[in-house]
Amino acid sequence: EAQVTQNPRYLITVTGKKLTVTCSQNMNHEYMSWYRQDPGLGLRQIYYSMNVEVTDKGDVPEGYKVSRKEKRNFPLILESPSPNQTSLYFCASSSLSTRDGQETQYFGPGTRLLVL
Amino acid sequence: LAKTTQPISMDSYEGQEVNITCSHNNIATNDYITWYQQFPSQGPRFIIQGYKTKVTNEVASLFIPADRKSSTLSLPRVSLSDTAVYYCLVGAYNTNAGKSTFGDGTTLTVKP
Repeated sequence: EAQVTQNPRYLITVTGKKLTVTCSQNMNHEYMSWYRQDPGLGLRQIYYSMNVEVTDKGDVPEGYKVSRKEKRNFPLILESPSPNQTSLYFCASSSLSTRDGQETQYFGPGTRLLVL
Repeated sequence: LAKTTQPISMDSYEGQEVNITCSHNNIATNDYITWYQQFPSQGPRFIIQGYKTKVTNEVASLFIPADRKSSTLSLPRVSLSDTAVYYCLVGAYNTNAGKSTFGDGTTLTVKP
């Protein structure tokens, strides 16, 4: 089954304790993204990757790191989490197509993070 | 990326047709319009995409006027399970290269 998986699904941590949220897709997609969603603020893109070893900042990259060493994986790293990073996080992947248009993004189930 | 504007919320009743309009005055020539649906605590799901005129699939229709400065997502005969947030996105991956802006979306509430 084609899917995007995220782990963990729920995480409670304390300020300053480094954490990693994993994201994996089995569709051989080139593009991958991380979003955060907060009440009243919609979905905001944190980082995105166009392919292995190619990443770029989205709208809210501060406090986050990413890496893309393999095509299927795109982990999100919080080196020193703070309470303002408490949020619902979504990973997404999409395919680069030879046709025109806008890529269709496939989203993971989400990771709910609470930073105390 | 073109900025989009949608109504914050809409109410409807089961069995009615719902039309959600999105304004995108600064749409570029090669931009497409894509709509996603999101249920609470789930990731968004692709509904439909179009460039001009009308596109229809098994879930919805998308109407795009000639000037392309707006678009309307039409959901026929909605049910309670259509209660969700609907997002309009505008862009083209060959120029945006992965960058994506979702906006605030429209919360649709379907009542019995």
